[in-house]
Amino acid sequence: EVQLVESGGGLVQPGGSLRLSCAASGFTFSNYEMNWVRQAPGKGLEWVSYISSGGGTVYYSDSVKGRFTISRDNTRNSLFLQINSLRDEDTAVYYCARDGVGQLDGHFDYWGQGTLATVSS
Amino acid sequence: DIVLTQSPGTLSLSPGERATLSCRASQSLHSSYLAWYQQNPGQAPRLLIYAISSRATGIPDRFSGSGSGTDFTLTISRLEPEDFAVYYCQYYGSSRYTFGQGTKLEIK
Repeated sequence: EVQLVESGGGLVQPGGSLRLSCAASGFTFSNYEMNWVRQAPGKGLEWVSYISSGGGTVYYSDSVKGRFTISRDNTRNSLFLQINSLRDEDTAVYYCARDGVGQLDGHFDYWGQGTLATVSS
Repeated sequence: DIVLTQSPGTLSLSPGERATLSCRASQSLHSSYLAWYQQNPGQAPRLLIYAISSRATGIPDRFSGSGSGTDFTLTISRLEPEDFAVYYCQYYGSSRYTFGQGTKLEIK
């Protein structure tokens, strides 16, 4: 069974940092591209970042470029998101999501349950 | 950048009725990277439809997707109580993933 379990969220002051983690199991992690998607309270879904299966290619949304860094450790089946210079508008549930393969490419076929990051003074 | 606009914002229907949800792109989508997700309160989204019209694993056949160009539709043929949720369309293109703003399907 595919499982994605996020951790690392919490309360942080504006300008602070957080490192989110996603532990993957139930599939060959190194074969899959991965993403982070966030959802502000009461709002819709917003894609944040993508990383290729080997980690060599990354993409970011304009709203986080330069402040967020996505990475992965295929030996530990783990995905990470380093979030710096946090702003109030970064308050959200952050989901780890697997990018599908084949016809599912470009879509998120499995999601974690999310971890909440709250930016507040 | 492509913008996806979903309508209506809220759809009020009764169990057993047919639901038609719309997703309109700001420019023609020249690939089939269009998907639909369902999200229940407090839960992660779930993939329903991918590549415009293919049902994801375990999704009942009352869910169907269609469309081309700029206009895409998610149809639920006969609403079950568990179908009342928020639905999002999503597109992948040019190294970006874009979501629509969502349609809330509520019980009338």
